[in-house]
Amino acid sequence: GESVGLHLPTLSVQEGDNSIINCAYSNSASDYFIWYKQESGKGPQFIIDIRSNMDKRQGQRVTVLLNKTVKHLSLQIAATQPGDSAVYFCAENIGGADGLTFGKGTHLIIQP
Amino acid sequence: DAGITQSPRHKVTETGTPVTLRCHQTENHRYMYWYRQDPGHGLRLIHYSYGVKDTDKGEVSDGYSVSRSKTEDFLLTLESATSSQTSVYFCAISRGGADNQPQHFGDGTRLSIL
Repeated sequence: GESVGLHLPTLSVQEGDNSIINCAYSNSASDYFIWYKQESGKGPQFIIDIRSNMDKRQGQRVTVLLNKTVKHLSLQIAATQPGDSAVYFCAENIGGADGLTFGKGTHLIIQP
Repeated sequence: DAGITQSPRHKVTETGTPVTLRCHQTENHRYMYWYRQDPGHGLRLIHYSYGVKDTDKGEVSDGYSVSRSKTEDFLLTLESATSSQTSVYFCAISRGGADNQPQHFGDGTRLSIL
């Protein structure tokens, strides 16, 4: 797998490798976090979420890790496939339903 | 897909004209949102609604108004469009409630103000 610095706009990985996309969130009061995938010409698609009382959550081929101490969120994608090529956004919410605050996104590129 | 339809999908108009974008949902979700997406800014919240006739402002609400007269429809209006409002606009819906629920997005409206 490949770990990238925070806010890197592009991550290039080999097909079959693991991908790690990082995100720094801004508000220590945020208690809900979501990762979205956005393909060209489409709206953001929900991937996985995590609440602040957890530090890890797993889905199908994806894992989200939350480190509240340093306000850091990461998305791990196992065995990256060509269909994973997209822009990935993290988003945070401070409780309630008053909207999400989005990061600027990371473009994941899959090399054959 | 989350049962969200945005219309129109594309629109080109002139500065100073009024523009209304529509978001229609078939999920009966209580919460609806309008975001805009611009290069270098990610998605930013314009307005949101937490029920019929209940709306509130988001981060970038200046120059926009919204209305929600029924559960399934949430309208975004630019009273007098400006070139700075050229953007891609996304609608999202959520069950909301005390236990956070994810927002699900439509496929957007690409709006160009000339």
